[in-house]
Amino acid sequence: GNSVTQMEGPVTLSEEAFLTINCTYTATGYPSLFWYVQYPGEGLQLLLKATKADDKGSNKGFEATYRKETTSFHLEKGSVQVSDSAVYFCALSEGHAGGTSYGKLTFGQGTILTVHP
Amino acid sequence: NAGVTQTPKFRILKIGQSMTLQCTQDMNHNYMYWYRQDPGMGLKLIYYSVGAGITDKGEVPNGYNVSRSTTEDFPLRLELAAPSQTSVYFCASLPRAGGYNEQFFGPGTRLTVL
Repeated sequence: GNSVTQMEGPVTLSEEAFLTINCTYTATGYPSLFWYVQYPGEGLQLLLKATKADDKGSNKGFEATYRKETTSFHLEKGSVQVSDSAVYFCALSEGHAGGTSYGKLTFGQGTILTVHP
Repeated sequence: NAGVTQTPKFRILKIGQSMTLQCTQDMNHNYMYWYRQDPGMGLKLIYYSVGAGITDKGEVPNGYNVSRSTTEDFPLRLELAAPSQTSVYFCASLPRAGGYNEQFFGPGTRLTVL
């Protein structure tokens, strides 16, 4: 079956530090890959996505590149802010349009990020 | 659009009680999902629906039931609450088939079973 593994957390950084959160996956076929973010007390919202190998997703200064050869989708940001403090989830969804995956997501365990001023 | 709404936000149940978690979306999405989030864990799929009248089990369906009588609503039923069902529950929707599409999440329901 599908699985997603994220780096152990929590992660604590000072403002303006560089961020990397590792994510690797196991899947059959050609999954789409996502990073979701959950701010305190809120639901999940999409941060970025990539739908095929070598695609780079980006949003709000965050980036992740779909690496099929290493089955990875690591999240990076060059300079974090206090407002980036949240839980970050890596997730995958199988297949493309017309497939039978029905859009179901498989999540990693989440990484808590705390950024101090 | 309100997006995906869930009620209640918080609930405390006693063991053996039953309740229904409500989920409504106003985006005319065909696909809807229920996930649970346990502390330190990712989200696990409980049930999903691909349209009105069609539901199927996810990874952790035991102890739950769902129905989908309309496109908008996808309630989750707990019949005999157990402490193991203490969790945060998220409802989500997806506009159409295609794994590359984004799921939209509700704000969650925090349930405690004592």
